[in-house]
Amino acid sequence: GNSVTQMEGPVTLSEEAFLTINCTYTATGYPSLFWYVQYPGEGLQLLLKATKADDKGSNKGFEATYRKETTSFHLEKGSVQVSDSAVYFCALVLSGNTPLVFGKGTRLSVIA
Amino acid sequence: GAGVSQTPSNKVTEKGKYVELRCDPISGHTALYWYRQSLGQGPEFLIYFQGTGAADDSGLPNDRFFAVRPEGSVSTLKIQRTERGDSAVYLCASSPTRREADTQYFGPGTRLTVL
Repeated sequence: GNSVTQMEGPVTLSEEAFLTINCTYTATGYPSLFWYVQYPGEGLQLLLKATKADDKGSNKGFEATYRKETTSFHLEKGSVQVSDSAVYFCALVLSGNTPLVFGKGTRLSVIA
Repeated sequence: GAGVSQTPSNKVTEKGKYVELRCDPISGHTALYWYRQSLGQGPEFLIYFQGTGAADDSGLPNDRFFAVRPEGSVSTLKIQRTERGDSAVYLCASSPTRREADTQYFGPGTRLTVL
């Protein structure tokens, strides 16, 4: 089946630290890959996406590269801020208009 | 236009009662999805509509759960004889049909608490 595995949290970092949240996937086809973010008290927001191998998605200083050879889509940010504190979800979709498959989420806390 | 909206934002009910949760998708999005998010977990798929019809309901946990979308826009998720295990945040998402059909936009969710 299709599944997403992401690193267990919580992750606690100091402001301006480098962030990596690992995500790997298993899929029967060639999925599109996503990172969604859920800030405290808010709904899920799309952070970035990549639709094919070697694509890099980026937004708000976050980046993730679609690595087909390692079936990974790790999220990185060079310098985190307190405002980045949230839960991050890695997800895949096999094709347009099919359900998303999510990982369990990784809680990030950034302290000043 | 506006994003996906869901009502109510919170619903508290007693075990055995019936509840309805409403989702209003982004205007023009023909695809609509329901997910359920339990505490500390990622969202899990329930049902997906393309237009008025349920294209995939394989995620509905049992026959107490039902969803409709009679006019191809607003959708209602209905839960009969609620159980404490139904307590979760119910999320709705919509996506366009053609360009960027793989990208789903989520509403704020309805937090359901069954006492």
